[in-house]
Amino acid sequence: AQSVTQLGSHVSVSEGALVLLRCNYSSSVPPYLFWYVQYPNQGLQLLLKYTTGATLVKGINGFEAEFKKSETSFHLTKPSAHMSDAAEYFCAVSDTGGYQKVTFGTGTKLQVIP
Amino acid sequence: GAVVSQHPSRVICKSGTSVKIECRSLDFQATTMFWYRQFPKQSLMLMATSNEGSKATYEQGVEKDKFLINHASLTLSTLTVTSAHPEDSSFYICSALLGPNTEAFFGQGTRLTVV
Repeated sequence: AQSVTQLGSHVSVSEGALVLLRCNYSSSVPPYLFWYVQYPNQGLQLLLKYTTGATLVKGINGFEAEFKKSETSFHLTKPSAHMSDAAEYFCAVSDTGGYQKVTFGTGTKLQVIP
Repeated sequence: GAVVSQHPSRVICKSGTSVKIECRSLDFQATTMFWYRQFPKQSLMLMATSNEGSKATYEQGVEKDKFLINHASLTLSTLTVTSAHPEDSSFYICSALLGPNTEAFFGQGTRLTVV
């Protein structure tokens, strides 16, 4: 069975500050890991994904995440927050080796303070 | 990128009536689509997997007679909530696969309110 835990349903950062959104997962097999972003009244957009290979994954809009197997974590970071980053972020895991059965975390709403 | 359109974005219906939600892949053919439900402050929960030309596969605990899924073409899947009740009020979102080993593209979701 697979599951995802996102610590913090709401995170506030100042514009220009580091963004850190935490995600821990459990999986019985090597997982695929994803971060999605959802802007108000829009669908989910894939930010980045880890499947195999390099553990530091770079995504769109300056975000990156590092897969740490020993910590079962896949935290999302961005060095400098922009106002446009305000949105809800979902971490997700698939342990079926693909995109079929994806389990989502409960989401973290990011607020960027000017 | 690939675009998935969901319609309507919001719907209010009376208890006991049925509501149909459409999910369309606008610029690609999707053999597989997924339907999720999201309650407030909760995660997206997979309801069913919809494959074109075959019966949908429902997740455990999802009533297939209540949530009717039809994937009649490679660009359209529909979810019909039959005899809706207030507890069915939720955010429903679909996604479509561009190919068997590609990312899923999501629609913008439908907010269903049953009064």
